[in-house]
Amino acid sequence: ETGVTQSPTHLIKTRGQQVTLRCSSQSGHNTVSWYQQALGQGPQFIFQYYREEENGRGNFPPRFSGLQFPNYSSELNVNALELDDSALYLCASSLILAGDLGDTQYFGPGTRLTVL
Amino acid sequence: AQSVSQHNHHVILSEAASLELGCNYSYGGTVNLFWYVQYPGQHLQLLLKYFSGDPLVKGIKGFEAEFIKSKFSFNLRKPSVQWSDTAEYFCAVTPSNWAGNNRKLIWGLGTSLAVNP
Repeated sequence: ETGVTQSPTHLIKTRGQQVTLRCSSQSGHNTVSWYQQALGQGPQFIFQYYREEENGRGNFPPRFSGLQFPNYSSELNVNALELDDSALYLCASSLILAGDLGDTQYFGPGTRLTVL
Repeated sequence: AQSVSQHNHHVILSEAASLELGCNYSYGGTVNLFWYVQYPGQHLQLLLKYFSGDPLVKGIKGFEAEFIKSKFSFNLRKPSVQWSDTAEYFCAVTPSNWAGNNRKLIWGLGTSLAVNP
């Protein structure tokens, strides 16, 4: 069973630039969720993709966008980077089945984004 | 608004001491509850979870948690900690209904645990 992987591990960008972060979900999972974790904070929900469609979004501006591909991997895109976007970006995958009481999210190692 | 509160931000214990980390949530409906752990330099790992059934759940590495619905609490416990338990511990909650945004995890700020050998 392959776990959740993310790339790149670290990234340095300057204000105004655009960035794409990638996530490969765990084998057999159909859902990917993205979170932003600032230093000393708990993760904040950005959005979730289920079967290639956005399935919920947190309080993040439209310059945060995403995609999920047919193999259930996912991308997070951030346009017009701001200094406050510096954080650890976490991807989590899970299996959502209709009628389930809930799903369990398994996390990747994260991408550390620094915006200068 | 839904929220999760972890009462202890920093905890320092000696090996063999008992551990209890508090977690309270605010949400009126049924919830799924999780504790995750982040060891130094590693990614978030699931410690244990509660969806339904016995409110006392056991997780990995000797951890357990008790869901007390009347108190909106899900406290994490371990009878005897080890140096290797040094880590950041996060409580997270999600409403247990299948609808749009409700699948997101709502997180506490985390508790940093340092265990002295």
